[in-house]
Amino acid sequence: QSALTQPASVSGSPGQSITISCTGTSSDVGGYKYVSWYQQHPGKAPKLMIYAVNNRPSGVSNRFSGSKSGNTASLTISGLQAEDEADYYCSSYTSSDTLVFGTGTKVTVL
Amino acid sequence: QVQLQESGPGLVKPSQTLSLTCSVSGGSFSSGIYYWSWIRQHPGKGLEWIGYIYYRGNSYYNPSLKSRVTISVDTSKNQFSLRLSSVTAADTAVYYCARGEMTYSDYWGQGTLVTVSS
Repeated sequence: QSALTQPASVSGSPGQSITISCTGTSSDVGGYKYVSWYQQHPGKAPKLMIYAVNNRPSGVSNRFSGSKSGNTASLTISGLQAEDEADYYCSSYTSSDTLVFGTGTKVTVL
Repeated sequence: QVQLQESGPGLVKPSQTLSLTCSVSGGSFSSGIYYWSWIRQHPGKGLEWIGYIYYRGNSYYNPSLKSRVTISVDTSKNQFSLRLSSVTAADTAVYYCARGEMTYSDYWGQGTLVTVSS
């Protein structure tokens, strides 16, 4: 299975909104409402930010939102803050009953 | 609060078998619908899903690793394990264990670095 495609980096100024894309195929992202997003700070374990395309776990800021159109899912961070600077990974369930991660996106707060 | 902790050798020789255990505390291991996962991250690289096991024993693996991977669960000890055979330097990575549902993981261990070297 091939990794989902994400931009290598995205940047924005504090207070702005940014969007990270995650492109797969009809066998993963496009075929299911099972895309999740993880935030990872350096040296730390990933943290679940979004599951099932657009659901936030308890405790995750409502500045984080998810969506999906066709084979591409997106994570939007609104009101960008310094603490949002991290790596972000998408993940999708696949038609092979497996999971696949995205290539990862480094978010920089300017 | 659910906590997961990986344990095992930090150094494994090439061609040998990597064995890691994840100890789970703060929750009933076999009471729910959870999937118990292993994920790894090569140094400076992205996340790679290794596989997971349902508490009843059904396991699912990354096709690229399937021939070398076994994930098992020991409900009496609140633990689950990873075995990866015939390792090479390409298996050097930080290995994470995690708990979640079939499509995502909401609790993660801190990760453990395993280096494959003679």
